[in-house]
Amino acid sequence: TQLLEQSPQFLSIQEGENLTVYCNSSSVFSSLQWYRQEPGEGPVLLVTVVTGGEVKKLKRLTFQFGDARKDSSLHITAAQPGDTGLYLCAGAPDSWGKLQFGAGTQVVVTP
Amino acid sequence: NAGVTQTPKFQVLKTGQSMTLQCAQDMNHEYMSWYRQDPGMGLRLIHYSVGAGITDQGEVPNGYNVSRSTTEDFPLRLLSAAPSQTSVYFCASSLTGTNEKLFFGSGTQLSVL
Repeated sequence: TQLLEQSPQFLSIQEGENLTVYCNSSSVFSSLQWYRQEPGEGPVLLVTVVTGGEVKKLKRLTFQFGDARKDSSLHITAAQPGDTGLYLCAGAPDSWGKLQFGAGTQVVVTP
Repeated sequence: NAGVTQTPKFQVLKTGQSMTLQCAQDMNHEYMSWYRQDPGMGLRLIHYSVGAGITDQGEVPNGYNVSRSTTEDFPLRLLSAAPSQTSVYFCASSLTGTNEKLFFGSGTQLSVL
């Protein structure tokens, strides 16, 4: 059983469209991270959110941490083919807890 | 700056064989870890280390051994490979702990026949 549930599992959209990926849990996390992974490579950190209700922006990517620190979302505006990849969320239950990963959302953006 | 280096990139084993996956980092990170990635299951923690001489089990440790004799190296040993260990393995490190940015290697794709 995944501690962190990501949805959808797969998302295919056209260039220029918007998309949202969700990361949900019944547990509270002290922090939550989002990674992007490309084929044949390891995940690369995009952002870390630590405060309930926090919103962080990274160019066309907007990350939000839920008020109760149990969920998070990633919104991509005007997606581009370069946004294609596996998006993973990861959370730690406390400062010393082991990082738990969700199963990931595969995003494919076609020209 | 090499970051986290994993070798080999690909490996095929027969059931019962043993092997060691190598992981080295040149960032002077205290925390190092091994994950396996399987379709639909995300990354699962196998073993981790918070410093030289200290290791601990993660979520799926059975069938794997680790040691941390230096800050730089954290090898993962498969004692007697089984088909269930077919997976992609990632080594990751961070400065001090799991809440910090994890730096991943590029992975080892292992097939056990």
